[in-house]
Amino acid sequence: AQSVAQPEDQVNVAEGNPLTVKCTYSVSGNPYLFWYVQYPNRGLQFLLKYITGDNLVKGSYGFEAEFNKSQTSFHLKKPSALVSDSALYFCAVRALRLGSQGNLIFGKGTKLSVKP
Amino acid sequence: DTEVTQTPKHLVMGMTNKKSLKCEQHMGHRAMYWYKQKAKKPPELMFVYSYEKLSINESVPSRFSPECPNSSLLNLHLHALQPEDSALYLCASSQIGAGLYQETQYFGPGTRLLVL
Repeated sequence: AQSVAQPEDQVNVAEGNPLTVKCTYSVSGNPYLFWYVQYPNRGLQFLLKYITGDNLVKGSYGFEAEFNKSQTSFHLKKPSALVSDSALYFCAVRALRLGSQGNLIFGKGTKLSVKP
Repeated sequence: DTEVTQTPKHLVMGMTNKKSLKCEQHMGHRAMYWYKQKAKKPPELMFVYSYEKLSINESVPSRFSPECPNSSLLNLHLHALQPEDSALYLCASSQIGAGLYQETQYFGPGTRLLVL
């Protein structure tokens, strides 16, 4: 069965500092991994995904994520945090459903707070 | 354009009411999804439609009735809901490509439902 874990409920970062939001996964077969961001009272916005290829994936708004197969991790990173990055971040893995489009299985979410 | 629209934005209904949530996309996606999200929790899958046919029903109570009248529209009909059904209801869509599980899901802003 596929699953993802986000070990931190909240991450606090000062503006301008680098940020990391952690995600580990458990899958059978090839992992299809995604990061989404959710601002208050809004839907989810797609940031980036890993399917195959280069372990460093670049996404929207300056975010990137590093896929590490040996550590089964897919941490989200940004070199310099902005106050506007403050939001709820979800890591997700694509469920493999025989005969159907796989839905997303989400981690519990990590609240990122960037202080000026 | 990666826009998924949902109406209404907010909905308050009594336990005896019948209402419908609507979702629309014009990206040519042939997979559409309903997720339910409680406050500060990750989204949970309810239904998946592939090529306008219901492909996944996650044992959702019959008071929720999905409908996919065409490739651009997805409805969720609500009847005799309970207060615990109050949540943010998110619609998503994705392409159905050769890489079945690789396609990105794009989410709408959601409908915030309150059942009194």
